[in-house]
Amino acid sequence: EPEVTQTPSHQVTQMGQEVILRCVPISNHLYFYWYRQILGQKVEFLVSFYNNEISEKSEIFDDQFSVERPDGSNFTLKIRSTKLEDSAMYFCASRTLGPLHFGNGTRLTVT
Amino acid sequence: TQLLEQSPQFLSIQEGENLTVYCNSSSVFSSLQWYRQEPGEGPVLLVTVVTGGEVKKLKRLTFQFGDARKDSSLHITAAQPGDTGLYLCAGAGVTGGGNKLTFGTGTQLKVEL
Repeated sequence: EPEVTQTPSHQVTQMGQEVILRCVPISNHLYFYWYRQILGQKVEFLVSFYNNEISEKSEIFDDQFSVERPDGSNFTLKIRSTKLEDSAMYFCASRTLGPLHFGNGTRLTVT
Repeated sequence: TQLLEQSPQFLSIQEGENLTVYCNSSSVFSSLQWYRQEPGEGPVLLVTVVTGGEVKKLKRLTFQFGDARKDSSLHITAAQPGDTGLYLCAGAGVTGGGNKLTFGTGTQLKVEL
């Protein structure tokens, strides 16, 4: 069964550094999402992307965050200058008209 | 802001027992989904309910969507250790084409032998 894949599985970075989290959504999916889950807290919506543009974003998704679909297969989340509070699991998800399919996440640790 | 509250937050039961997890909101959702999440993995979809009052069964799991589409429940019959995990409800809004999901606070279930 096709699946959403995310790399790396774990990323450690220093505060102030830029990170790029990578996702390969399921190939025929059209809608792409990033969610995050801080340890012990609920899954939170960050941003949705459709037709090569952001369709919705949350308050969390400020100017430090950006998304890109550089080619026909990858979907990336960039954090320009990481803060300690950005430490979390970041999940990519994709769908067509049905429910979301989630990747296994990237654990980002900011030190 | 749409909020989904799940209860209980934690549940530890013995194998063979029945349990119910609740997911409540003051907001109306176009659909509601239940996910199960294992440590170190992403949420995996269990079921989607769309119609108010809808009941869906998945083996020993029974899902119900409230008549007003504001709440849902998950009932597990004769729980097994393999049912252990984090159960999440998530609602799709009635506006914006259901573009995003609002996740509940989660219920951590542990089933012991």
